[in-house]
Amino acid sequence: AQSVTQPDIHITVSEGASLELRCNYSYGATPYLFWYVQSPGQGLQLLLKYFSGDTLVQGIKGFEAEFKRSQSSFNLRKPSVHWSDAAEYFCAVGSNNAGNMLTFGGGTRLMVKP
Amino acid sequence: GAVVSQHPSRVICKSGTSVKIECRSLDFQATTMFWYRQFPKQSLMLMATSNEGSKATYEQGVEKDKFLINHASLTLSTLTVTSAHPEDSSFYICSAPGRYGYTFGSGTRLTVV
Repeated sequence: AQSVTQPDIHITVSEGASLELRCNYSYGATPYLFWYVQSPGQGLQLLLKYFSGDTLVQGIKGFEAEFKRSQSSFNLRKPSVHWSDAAEYFCAVGSNNAGNMLTFGGGTRLMVKP
Repeated sequence: GAVVSQHPSRVICKSGTSVKIECRSLDFQATTMFWYRQFPKQSLMLMATSNEGSKATYEQGVEKDKFLINHASLTLSTLTVTSAHPEDSSFYICSAPGRYGYTFGSGTRLTVV
């Protein structure tokens, strides 16, 4: 069974500082990996996804993530955080089978200090 | 790009009544729709998977008689919360898989009073 672990429930960073959100997955085959952001009371917005190819993936809002198969990780990074980045971030794993659902990690709440 | 329109975005209902949530794929055909539930400060948990023209598949612990799912066409899937109770208050969100990933609806905040 597929699973996703986000070890950090809460993270607080200062505005302008760099950010890394951790994500570890368990999946039997080549995974499709996603990062979503959710603002309070809102739906999910896709930040980036990895299907294949280059293991460093660029997304929207200046985010990037690196797929490391040997570590079963797909950590999200941003070099300089903005106050508007404060939100809940979810890592998810799926497959290339359209009938397979996404499995979400528990989420990481990011708070940004001025 | 692919869009899933979910309505209503917010609904308040009285305990014992039923609420229907709709998800429509606007510019693509969704043969499959995943329905998730998210309690406050928690992650998204899959409730059920609907497939056009067949019965929905429910995750363990989800009452199929309480959460009625209908996928009558390739563009519409509905979730009906029957005889709603306060503990059903949650954020419900649908998702349709596609060629390039998964498209999510904007979610429905259900409050049962």
